[in-house]
Amino acid sequence: DTEVTQTPKHLVMGMTNKKSLKCEQHMGHRAMYWYKQKAKKPPELMFVYSYEKLSINESVPSRFSPECPNSSLLNLHLHALQPEDSALYLCASSQGPSPLFNEQFFGPGTRLTVL
Amino acid sequence: AQTVTQSQPEMSVQEAETVTLSCTYDTSENNYYLFWYKQPPSRQMILVIRQEAYKQQNATENRFSVNFQKAAKSFSLKISDSQLGDTAMYFCAFMKQRQETSGSRLTFGEGTQLTVNP
Repeated sequence: DTEVTQTPKHLVMGMTNKKSLKCEQHMGHRAMYWYKQKAKKPPELMFVYSYEKLSINESVPSRFSPECPNSSLLNLHLHALQPEDSALYLCASSQGPSPLFNEQFFGPGTRLTVL
Repeated sequence: AQTVTQSQPEMSVQEAETVTLSCTYDTSENNYYLFWYKQPPSRQMILVIRQEAYKQQNATENRFSVNFQKAAKSFSLKISDSQLGDTAMYFCAFMKQRQETSGSRLTFGEGTQLTVNP
């Protein structure tokens, strides 16, 4: 299984809602990533988990809260988002955090719309 | 800090022809990796090709090849025998080989939208 899956594919939420994005991989990868991507722009790194511990937080607002319950699963909890947070949220994984394992495998993304 | 520049926001090519996408980068690192990622309209980003900076030989993957010029900090992608399925956004990306304690980051260029016309 060389796949990263993400659910849901689409999400529409109000600014007062609480929702979660889910990412799963069964490749035994020990590094997982959340990216935010606006239309026609490159992905922007948000968070990196290495061996289930948060290793990079790119100064992301606290309304985004990541969680890594186990080595296969990565969640992104959303609360009190703003319309400008509407974007494609991509999850990725790599074999490990070292640059030696530099290929990142991306999921299909969750298209988030904040009303 | 590293920067990656893709100077061609959009390109088009006829099916079966060859096209070259350009990428330049700036870094003070001596050892690093360079990548071309493809993101089709279906959105899933996939790795097309990878180059280690210490290798002089240009990487090739079937119809995809790179022209890596380390001194010029240039890393172009050549697609031969273009197919309709090659239509996608192509991102050039950089990663340091030196591991940082916090983890490894990909630095992406702004992307080139390639359209293959029938």
